Amino acid sequence: DAGITQSPRYKITETGRQVTLMCHQTWSHSYMFWYRQDLGHGLRLIYYSAAADITDKGEVPDGYVVSRSKTENFPLTLESATRSQTSVYFCASSGSGLGEQYFGPGTRLTVT
Amino acid sequence: AQKVTQAQTEISVVEKEDVTLDCVYETRDTTYYLFWYKQPPSGELVFLIRRNSFDEQNEISGRYSWNFQKSTSSFNFTITASQVVDSAVYFCALSEAWGGGNKLTFGTGTQLKVEL
Repeated sequence: DAGITQSPRYKITETGRQVTLMCHQTWSHSYMFWYRQDLGHGLRLIYYSAAADITDKGEVPDGYVVSRSKTENFPLTLESATRSQTSVYFCASSGSGLGEQYFGPGTRLTVT
Repeated sequence: AQKVTQAQTEISVVEKEDVTLDCVYETRDTTYYLFWYKQPPSGELVFLIRRNSFDEQNEISGRYSWNFQKSTSSFNFTITASQVVDSAVYFCALSEAWGGGNKLTFGTGTQLKVEL
């Protein structure tokens, strides 16, 4: 299917566990992004990638790790989950440096 | 640093009323892009519009219109004859052209409730 997908859609994990959120897009967009959405904060950028093997930190990168070995995939890993990382995570992609971003359906993560 | 302010946390209107969602931004760049996204109750984020800093013309798309004013650093969004299906959270966002890497800075969103 064309578009941008995220998996899992819902995840419950325990404090201290490692968890990876997956993001896959079929448009061959160069740019990919990870945001978290929290009440009162809107969406905040965690990490972004301009191309395969090129990643950079966003506004709130602490506690997260990303990689991008293939253009279409951009996984986000929480190395040791904390309760403060309970959030809705959105992945997005964009075909150009200044173009609109298209978002995946989101992953609701709960850390207990 | 760039910043987007949506001072209206929640707005309630009756169907068919016109409603304007405010967005004020801050940036030191002379070239930048402004966006509006809609997040309906289902949770996905839907792109509505992109406007660059050199184009101050107002834009109309059906019942939606956008008023961009650089003099007041505002990019307001008006829905004419609102409908229940317009109920959603609306986000304004800013991207700086140089050094921004297309990173979007979002406002905190405005929850719009349209009632019958």
